[in-house]
Amino acid sequence: QITLKESGPTLVKPTQTLTLTCTFSGFSLNTSGVAVGWIRQPPGKALEWLALIYWDDDKRYSPSLKKRLTITKDTSKNQVVLIMTNMDPVDTATYFCAHSIATTNWFDPWGQGTLVTVSS
Amino acid sequence: QSVLTQPPSASGTPGQRVTISCSGASSNIGTNTVSWYQRLPGTAPKLLIFSNNQRPSGVPDRFSGSKSGTSASLAISGLQSEDEADYFCASWDDYLFWVFGGGTKLTVL
Repeated sequence: QITLKESGPTLVKPTQTLTLTCTFSGFSLNTSGVAVGWIRQPPGKALEWLALIYWDDDKRYSPSLKKRLTITKDTSKNQVVLIMTNMDPVDTATYFCAHSIATTNWFDPWGQGTLVTVSS
Repeated sequence: QSVLTQPPSASGTPGQRVTISCSGASSNIGTNTVSWYQRLPGTAPKLLIFSNNQRPSGVPDRFSGSKSGTSASLAISGLQSEDEADYFCASWDDYLFWVFGGGTKLTVL
């Protein structure tokens, strides 16, 4: 059974850097084809894809947020880390990580999500 | 503004059939498959449909998906009160990578 869980601060101040960790089980990021993505949803708004990292360390970023995002993996810890710089109140959202496979076009399953509020 | 366009809301009475549309472009839905997700309040999004019209195990056959050209649809038949949720479509885009729809809030009257 695949599970993922997000962790990180619930409150960050404007201009600060956000670091979120996705800890997963039931699969390995050493396995060919496996990927983990980050997606967020601001309150009352749409899902927005942020970043994706593949088993071979290939990475993809949302073009609109690319300058602010860094995604890394630690396969020994079964973790994927997302770093977002220069946080703004508009970045207030629930942040999800999710499992994917390179040859497919879907995310399944998703973590429960973590709400991050950006406020001074 | 989301790359994929969905109606913001939809509604139906129990037992009815409801359809939610998702409109895209040649760079996403036109050339790649579509997936659909259900988000119940306070829960994680759940995969409902993958590869345009495939259901993961455990998803009732009341849920079905289709795709034609640059548009896709999710149909829910035999509507039930527990179907009240937000529904999102998604697809890979050849230039933007992953794109999602704006979401449709389904109300069961």
